Amino acid sequence: DTEVTQTPKHLVMGMTNKKSLKCEQHMGHRAMYWYKQKAKKPPELMFVYSYEKLSINESVPSRFSPECPNSSLLNLHLHALQPEDSALYLCASSHYRGSGTEAFFGQGTRLTVV
Amino acid sequence: AQTVTQSQPEMSVQEAETVTLSCTYDTSESDYYLFWYKQPPSRQMILVIRQEAYKQQNATENRFSVNFQKAAKSFSLKISDSQLGDAAMYFCAYRSGSGGSNYKLTFGKGTLLTVNP
Repeated sequence: DTEVTQTPKHLVMGMTNKKSLKCEQHMGHRAMYWYKQKAKKPPELMFVYSYEKLSINESVPSRFSPECPNSSLLNLHLHALQPEDSALYLCASSHYRGSGTEAFFGQGTRLTVV
Repeated sequence: AQTVTQSQPEMSVQEAETVTLSCTYDTSESDYYLFWYKQPPSRQMILVIRQEAYKQQNATENRFSVNFQKAAKSFSLKISDSQLGDAAMYFCAYRSGSGGSNYKLTFGKGTLLTVNP
């Protein structure tokens, strides 16, 4: 199983809503990532979890709140977002280090903030 | 900080022909990994090929191969016998082999590949 599963695939939310994005992998990867991608741009790293602990926060606004309940799950809680936060949100996972450190990506959640 | 440069925003190729996508990078590290990812309109980032910096041999995966020139810091992707399904955005990416930045993937800006029938 080399899949990273993200739900939902599409999400429309108002600026006062609270929603969550979910990500799941069963490859035994101990590093999990959230990326934000705007149209025709490369993904931008938001957060990295290593062994269920937040190890990198790329100065992301607090309206984005990550959570890693266990080694297979990663959530991104959204609150009071702005229209400019509309983007594709990609989850990825990888081994911590060594050979085979390529990241496997999910299909993403297309988020629209209205 | 590492940088990855893809100088071709768009490329096109005829079906069944060969195309080469360019990528250069800048780093002071000796231990690192390089990747090519493909992102079709379905939007999932798919790993195409991986190269470890310590390996001199160029990586190959079926119709995809790389030309890894470590001294020149160049990592180009060759697609042979192009197929319509190869049409996608292609991203070159760098990952450190050690230290705290080990987790980060640094992406180039991407090359949009069109395959003409």
